[in-house]
Amino acid sequence: GENVEQHPSTLSVQEGDSAVIKCTYSDSASNYFPWYKQELGKRPQLIIDIRSNVGEKKDQRIAVTLNKTAKHFSLHITETQPEDSAVYFCAAPPKTSYDKVIFGPGTSLSVIP
Amino acid sequence: DSGVTQTPKHLITATGQRVTLRCSPRSGDLSVYWYQQSLDQGLQFLIQYYNGEERAKGNILERFSAQQFPDLHSELNLSSLELGDSALYFCASSVGRGMAQYFGPGTRLTVL
Repeated sequence: GENVEQHPSTLSVQEGDSAVIKCTYSDSASNYFPWYKQELGKRPQLIIDIRSNVGEKKDQRIAVTLNKTAKHFSLHITETQPEDSAVYFCAAPPKTSYDKVIFGPGTSLSVIP
Repeated sequence: DSGVTQTPKHLITATGQRVTLRCSPRSGDLSVYWYQQSLDQGLQFLIQYYNGEERAKGNILERFSAQQFPDLHSELNLSSLELGDSALYFCASSVGRGMAQYFGPGTRLTVL
């Protein structure tokens, strides 16, 4: 199938707390799993990505972990700040087409000062 | 600034009309993707081109078509427009398959 799910759909955290968003895909031809951040009224921007030859990748306060056996990858944001408030999307191509792109429905993160 | 440009920024038109959206990818990128994002919705993949060739199609309506030119810029043509076509249309580019995508600022289409 061509299904990418994200949980939770909305997330509200206090400034300084951590946030975790999980992305589950039904099947993928890819070894590349990205996360994008979209602030209100702006374009999506790549914030971190991971390839299946590694289980975890970290970039300052954000990290991504991948469990290819279980078909999910997660975005971790530590020490959240108000500017982290945005919608976060994951993406994965289906097994039927490496060139097609299926984005998850998005997770709206609100960081409360 | 991602290096991807889109024109126009805003477009207001009437039902039944036809419009063309333009996208120039980042220098060196061969792949161009088109997405539709309706209000409070996610990103719906429309179509992808690689070096002038169509590589993948999503749920793109038959009224919509696209092409990528030899200079790698791409155009998305939307015809017989309906109210429901009102949305933000993004293009993105990447070096190739399975690589990071860089999005343009989008074209906001309003169909009245």
